Amino acid sequence: DIHMTQSPSSLSASVGDSVTITCRATQTIGDYVHWYQQRPGTAPKLLIYAASNLQSGVPSRFSGSGSGTDFSLTITDLHPEDFATYYCQEGYSSPITFGQGTRLDVK
Amino acid sequence: QVQLQQWGASLLKPSETLSLTCGVHGESFSGYYWTWIRQSPDKGLEWIGQINHVGGSSYNPSLRGRVTLSVDASKGHFSLKLNSLSAADTAVYYCARVKYRTTWYDFWGQGTLVTVSS
Repeated sequence: DIHMTQSPSSLSASVGDSVTITCRATQTIGDYVHWYQQRPGTAPKLLIYAASNLQSGVPSRFSGSGSGTDFSLTITDLHPEDFATYYCQEGYSSPITFGQGTRLDVK
Repeated sequence: QVQLQQWGASLLKPSETLSLTCGVHGESFSGYYWTWIRQSPDKGLEWIGQINHVGGSSYNPSLRGRVTLSVDASKGHFSLKLNSLSAADTAVYYCARVKYRTTWYDFWGQGTLVTVSS
């Protein structure tokens, strides 16, 4: 299985800040990485697919980049509703796997 | 708008069988893989398996043959059975969809907390 390592595991920031979350795969996986946001008590929500494509309806302050083994999710101008947990997911091989999550909370 | 609505028993005993169903509203069954994913504090998000509208399926080898997926496209739902339960199967179970030739999950069910306890 491909292992996805996210960092940091937790992050504190303020409204208006910019933050970057990274995800590293144990082998090269092209652009087969997707990012999700999860608020407490709800299902994950797709933000970014294929490393850098913004899902319909997702604000443009979210962006993704990377290829090969290293990927990142950047959120600029943090809004109050952005404080949540973020996950990367690889779709390169079966079984698909997720990162362990990055919890973003208010400083 | 696509909606996935799931239901099933939420409190089970060790050795019992988990049974969950996910109803699909607002979308055709064909052209997608219908998936089960679970989430626990210990293992995080874990892919269980997927099935298409004609029953073609694949499973996570980590579940060692305990899992069976089925589909009833005429009724617009698909189901998960997981047998020989233990406390390690306690998790929130989600259904989700992935479009053919893609690998991301764009719609999810609301989740069902399944607790395995004697």
